[in-house]
Amino acid sequence: GAVVSQHPSWVICKSGTSVKIECRSLDFQATTMFWYRQFPKQSLMLMATSNEGSKATYEQGVEKDKFLINHASLTLSTLTVTSAHPEDSSFYICSARVPGTSFYEQYFGPGTRLTVT
Amino acid sequence: QQQVKQSPQSLIVQKGGISIINCAYENTAFDYFPWYQQFPGKGPALLIAIRPDVSEKKEGRFTISFNKSAKQFSLHIMDSQPGDSATYFCAASMGGTYKYIFGTGTRLKVLA
Repeated sequence: GAVVSQHPSWVICKSGTSVKIECRSLDFQATTMFWYRQFPKQSLMLMATSNEGSKATYEQGVEKDKFLINHASLTLSTLTVTSAHPEDSSFYICSARVPGTSFYEQYFGPGTRLTVT
Repeated sequence: QQQVKQSPQSLIVQKGGISIINCAYENTAFDYFPWYQQFPGKGPALLIAIRPDVSEKKEGRFTISFNKSAKQFSLHIMDSQPGDSATYFCAASMGGTYKYIFGTGTRLKVLA
């Protein structure tokens, strides 16, 4: 149980275009999902908290208009990187909080490698 | 005060040895401390977690030791195996936010 998937696993896009990354909880309903960004050989940095049916909460320094988050259902959250630039190239990882279990447990997706050329 | 400091940055252990990774925090509001294992190109996987009311928790070869007064906690990997070679992250979370603050990571290499 507690499986989180992401799609796509990797994506290459041209500078100035937008790309959407999906995060799905496969065997549970996730009212809260999180989006992280990880640069090579670095730690995970929380970008935003996504709550089903409400606006995402962004961490300080994260551009809301650039990283659009939509949590339209209890099993799906999406991250859209708008007008992507090479500096947006990174590993994006989502996680979901599992309700009904240990209060704080988060399970992570496999990540999406974004390369902007 | 939101930081979680993790050491060492990298660690090399012989097969069968004990791997020890340490983390320290400042914010006493943190009340949940998980450890994650991450292989290259993959998402982190939850290994084990502990709350401050427990000083030690063991699951298989993995043990968390927690020192509330020192605001430190550590991961011990007993009988380390080459398959344990990965990056390990500690994290801390506080009630109400569910947000994780991650440590900087430790790259573990277990020699065969």
